[in-house]
Amino acid sequence: DVKVTQSSRYLVKRTGEKVFLECVQDMDHENMFWYRQDPGLGLRLIYFSYDVKMKEKGDIPEGYSVSREKKERFSLILESASTNQTSMYLCASSQQGPVYEQYFGPGTRLTVT
Amino acid sequence: GIQVEQSPPDLILQEGANSTLRCNFSDSVNNLQWFHQNPWGQLINLFYIPSGTKQNGRLSATTVATERYSLLYISSSQTTDSGVYFCAVEILTGGGNKLTFGTGTQLKVEL
Repeated sequence: DVKVTQSSRYLVKRTGEKVFLECVQDMDHENMFWYRQDPGLGLRLIYFSYDVKMKEKGDIPEGYSVSREKKERFSLILESASTNQTSMYLCASSQQGPVYEQYFGPGTRLTVT
Repeated sequence: GIQVEQSPPDLILQEGANSTLRCNFSDSVNNLQWFHQNPWGQLINLFYIPSGTKQNGRLSATTVATERYSLLYISSSQTTDSGVYFCAVEILTGGGNKLTFGTGTQLKVEL
């Protein structure tokens, strides 16, 4: 079974702090993704990566950056956290085809005060 | 970008009842996934279904790609079926895939 883990289930940070969210997958998947989930808005893609050291912007990249130094690990970085970044953050991974089914981690609920 | 609409937004069922959830999308897609988000926030894969019908126990899904919709059927519902059901459509881009999610159907199954 695919396993995607995230570093924290709950996180509370102060405005202006630098925040790191980490995601690790154990299935040698090439593709990794970061989403945020907000009530009424569903899941929205922040960034994704198709390979080590490679990244592409999703639909809402503003205020975020990412890092992928190893194939199994994909980090989401909030350079200066703001209250409007309070959300549920979900990481996912998938193969590079022919089947692109995405598998999700348990999520990190981030509160910025 | 592609639009994904789910209906109904909310649904309350008595245990044992059947239901149908619908997902409409505005453009051609490579594939479609259905997920169940449990009360703890975990997204659980239900179906990966570009077209046709698949069944898994009490759940089945049908995607009619030419008409741009998918249906998720839940039969003999149980309280453990409660949660949010999402459909997500897959678009191939560059070297991989992107998912666009609908806003979900909140299901509550009561005794």
